[in-house]
Amino acid sequence: GAGVSQSPSNKVTEKGKDVELRCDPISGHTALYWYRQSLGQGLEFLIYFQGNSAPDKSGLPSDRFSAERTGGSVSTLTIQRTQQEDSAVYLCASGGGQETQYFGPGTRLLVL
Amino acid sequence: KNQVEQSPQSLIILEGKNCTLQCNYTVSPFSNLRWYKQDTGRGPVSLTIMTFSENTKSNGRYTATLDADTKQSSLHITASQLSDSASYICVVSDRGSTLGRLYFGRGTQLTVWP
Repeated sequence: GAGVSQSPSNKVTEKGKDVELRCDPISGHTALYWYRQSLGQGLEFLIYFQGNSAPDKSGLPSDRFSAERTGGSVSTLTIQRTQQEDSAVYLCASGGGQETQYFGPGTRLLVL
Repeated sequence: KNQVEQSPQSLIILEGKNCTLQCNYTVSPFSNLRWYKQDTGRGPVSLTIMTFSENTKSNGRYTATLDADTKQSSLHITASQLSDSASYICVVSDRGSTLGRLYFGRGTQLTVWP
């Protein structure tokens, strides 16, 4: 069956530009998570959506980061005015609660 | 502060040998603990998930233990294979409701040599 998909797979952008990363969760999963993983580092929680509840945004590193989830399905993570330190792999996962999380392949972002 | 600490940071073993990875957490309240395997360039994949009442759970050559009193968990890998080379991540959930927040350790990087 289809897993979690993310697009683009890779993104190279210039410092100061805005980028949008997309996540298509597994159909029927009510929970969706965004994480960031810098080279050689552990996973860093960014934001968590659960159904129609207000998202847990406590992991967003700055107000340049925002995310939305339309119709309880697809999610978009937006980074405005990108900085070089934003370069990382951005991972999306769906599932939640007591269920196993299923991760997507990630989007590798490089800010020049 | 809710934290998950893993040790060792990295580990090298010979193929066929056993190893044990450690995870200590301070997450409270505790709901469940998961171990993930992350191959290089891939997303993490779940190995085991244990709730408060479970002390051990196996998945093939992987056996996880949990001591909720001391807030410690271990992942034991038996008869290691080259394909076991990966990062192993300990993840703790702070509540059993659908608004569960997950706390990740930094992972143990395991390398299996032939």
